[in-house]
Amino acid sequence: DAGVTQSPTHLIKTRGQHVTLRCSPISGHKSVSWYQQVLGQGPQFIFQYYEKEERGRGNFPDRFSARQFPNYSSELNVNALLLGDSALYLCASSLDPRQAGYGYTFGSGTRLTVV
Amino acid sequence: AQRVTQPEKLLSVFKGAPVELKCNYSYSGSPELFWYVQYSRQRLQLLLRHISRESIKGFTADLNKGETSFHLKKPFAQEEDSAMYYCALSGGATNKLIFGTGTLLAVQP
Repeated sequence: DAGVTQSPTHLIKTRGQHVTLRCSPISGHKSVSWYQQVLGQGPQFIFQYYEKEERGRGNFPDRFSARQFPNYSSELNVNALLLGDSALYLCASSLDPRQAGYGYTFGSGTRLTVV
Repeated sequence: AQRVTQPEKLLSVFKGAPVELKCNYSYSGSPELFWYVQYSRQRLQLLLRHISRESIKGFTADLNKGETSFHLKKPFAQEEDSAMYYCALSGGATNKLIFGTGTLLAVQP
């Protein structure tokens, strides 16, 4: 089992561009959550998806969107990038939302730098 | 407001010394509390949860609802304990995690 895989590992974008980050959960996990970790801070919840439906959303602007595919992989999209979007974006998978928290397996993250 | 506070950004101790990483929380309801750890160049991983009341790698944490605290303790620190430690709580329908800002534990030889 490859664990939770995220791609790309690093990314540099210019202000105003858009970006797509990808996450493949552990086999059998149907729930994917996204977190943003700004340097010096703890991860902050962005989205949770389960069975291809959005189950929760954090306090992020509409520039942030996500989706989950039939194979349970997920994409996080960010439009009109701002310098403040520079962060490590973490994906976490779990069997289902009830097991989020203790049942999370985190990916290594995508380091996004906006210049 | 739901919040997790870790007052220390850095805690430096010598090998064999006791360790206590502080965590206080604010939550309306009955949250579940966790400690996550991130070793150098490794992924964020669960260390322990309050419901389990177990000891992992010699670490324990007791939930004190009166003081709304969930401090992480270890009687004798080891160099391999050096890592970033995050306290987190979950609750609500999504069980999303709310993290503190983390404490970097540095165990000196």
